[in-house]
Amino acid sequence: AQSVTQLGSHVSVSEGALVLLRCNYSSSVPPYLFWYVQYPNQGLQLLLKYTSAATLVKGINGFEAEFKKSETSFHLTKPSAHMSDAAEYFCAVNTNAGKSTFGDGTTLTVKP
Amino acid sequence: GAGVSQSPRYKVAKRGQDVALRCDPISGHVSLFWYQQALGQGPEFLTYFQNEAQLDKSGLPSDRFFAERPEGSVSTLKIQRTQQEDSAVYLCASSLAEGYDEQFFGPGTRLTVL
Repeated sequence: AQSVTQLGSHVSVSEGALVLLRCNYSSSVPPYLFWYVQYPNQGLQLLLKYTSAATLVKGINGFEAEFKKSETSFHLTKPSAHMSDAAEYFCAVNTNAGKSTFGDGTTLTVKP
Repeated sequence: GAGVSQSPRYKVAKRGQDVALRCDPISGHVSLFWYQQALGQGPEFLTYFQNEAQLDKSGLPSDRFFAERPEGSVSTLKIQRTQQEDSAVYLCASSLAEGYDEQFFGPGTRLTVL
């Protein structure tokens, strides 16, 4: 069985501040982990993915995430928030080809 | 465009009506997925195709839900005798190879059942 927990359904940061979105997963086998971003009325877009290579994964738009097996975490970070980062972010785990399990999402608000 | 497209984008149905939602995946993509996204929640897996074969349909909530991909390209998700709890956004995604690969999502179909 696989599951994902995203801590904090809403996160608010000031423009230029650090962004930290938390994701913890549960998996009985080595997981593949993903972060997606969703803008209003659009589909999900992949930000980055972990596939058992490097534990620090760099993605698009300056985002990165670190896989920590001991903490079963895959938190998403960005050093400096931009107004255009305001969106909903989803963490997902896949251990069974085809069947991704998503968290409930975190809405990121960026204040000017 | 070269992305995943879905139609219709919005569908309003009366309770008890049948609906059909279409997904056009990216050309050449082997895998196709359907998800249901309720308001304020993450996508929930419904079913998965590899080419025309439906490899996993464990997420379909009831036998009123049926999906097909007869020629390994376009897929249709059909919901019979719609109920109010079926109201959600239905997302389609495709990937080039097997399911571990990056999934490309369509914009979704928002279904409202009155």
